[in-house]
Amino acid sequence: DAKTTQPTSMDCAEGRAANLPCNHSTISGNEYVYWYRQIHSQGPQYIIHGLKNNETNEMASLIITEDRKSSTLILPHATLRDTAVYYCIVRSGSNYKLTFGKGTLLTVNP
Amino acid sequence: GAGVSQSPSNKVTEKGKDVELRCDPISGHTALYWYRQSLGQGLEFLIYFQGNSAPDKSGLPSDRFSAERTGGSVSTLTIQRTQQEDSAVYLCASSAQGWGSYNSPLHFGNGTRLTVT
Repeated sequence: DAKTTQPTSMDCAEGRAANLPCNHSTISGNEYVYWYRQIHSQGPQYIIHGLKNNETNEMASLIITEDRKSSTLILPHATLRDTAVYYCIVRSGSNYKLTFGKGTLLTVNP
Repeated sequence: GAGVSQSPSNKVTEKGKDVELRCDPISGHTALYWYRQSLGQGLEFLIYFQGNSAPDKSGLPSDRFSAERTGGSVSTLTIQRTQQEDSAVYLCASSAQGWGSYNSPLHFGNGTRLTVT
């Protein structure tokens, strides 16, 4: 599976949009981009996933570039409870052995 | 709706004792996975169930570890003769479809924090 690169940390003001980038330049055609987050002492929480089209659900939006080499997770109105480590994962069909990298620690400030 | 439920949430045991960890997946999910996460470490895959069978047990660290799934639903991870290095958070996940379906996200429980003293 393709490797992903994310910034180590980001800050965001409460109520503002949080935009978390991810690079996956070696992604192949059948690999999906998944986003999870992990709040301290909880299990990873699924956020959203996509293949090539932009996706939106009740939690977030996922913007994937046309060449699919990068993506951005958008939390439209960040709250303090969104403070967590966010993981971008590229996953092929055979990969249920999820590998989380270091992720991005998002800190939402009041 | 109800998510993946794991019990107990915390377990402290003495070295050498056996422990059982339970996972209730999301209703209707055919695939079930066990992982563990040590402090500051990433996820370590342990075992994957599709229905009641386990096509992939490759992640189980030793023969002290075993898991079963009955009725295509609840799963139990058993660790015999626990060692201090077994201390970790044991996470269970389920997905609507299994291996080969990359459009089926894994949903995780909050884990069982196992401490072996």
